[in-house]
Amino acid sequence: DVVMTQSPLSLPVTLGQPASISCRSSQSLAYSDGNTYLNWFQQRPGQSPRRLIYKVSNRDSGVPDRFSGSGSGTDFTLKISRVEAEDVGVYYCMQGTHWPPFTFGQGTRLEIK
Amino acid sequence: EVQLVESGGGLVQPGGSLRLSCAASGFIFSSSWMTWVRQAPGKGLAWVANIKQDGSEKYYVDSVKGRFTISRDNAKDSLYLQMNSLRAEDTAVYYCARDRSGTDWGQGTLVTVSS
Repeated sequence: DVVMTQSPLSLPVTLGQPASISCRSSQSLAYSDGNTYLNWFQQRPGQSPRRLIYKVSNRDSGVPDRFSGSGSGTDFTLKISRVEAEDVGVYYCMQGTHWPPFTFGQGTRLEIK
Repeated sequence: EVQLVESGGGLVQPGGSLRLSCAASGFIFSSSWMTWVRQAPGKGLAWVANIKQDGSEKYYVDSVKGRFTISRDNAKDSLYLQMNSLRAEDTAVYYCARDRSGTDWGQGTLVTVSS
């Protein structure tokens, strides 16, 4: 199974400051069709997960443009350009290239300093 | 608007069974892969199973193979998860999600396996 490793696991951020979450996979997530199936999810306290980014860098509808995804191969990053209070929650990366099973990272808890 | 509404969770004794349901609306259910993901209390997300549009392909995480069965009824826009031989470690909130990549999620239903 592909192991997804996120860092940091806890991320205190000052409002208005940028934030960055790293996600590394144990094998390349590049697929033979030319796509890389790496998604990012946000789970706010007490809520269901919500997909933010699919295939590395594509924002879902309604996701603010302060969220961006980048990376290739085994190294991926989710960036928030200016953190707002509503961004508090846990962020997960998930790979869908080598499945089954689909695998998630451990989660990164973003909090406001 | 896409809606996924899970039901069927509850308290069950070890070795018991439960059947979860997920009622879908707001999209063409028969055109979508569907997925179950679970989250143990205070833990992260874990993929459980998924099923192809016509039900011809089903995939499971190793820990539930032989115990859980995913199915769907496209006439009823519904997804199911039959869970047998339940264990304490199956205790979790179970989410249904649209597509293999989790485009949309339900609110989840809590399954507690305890004596």
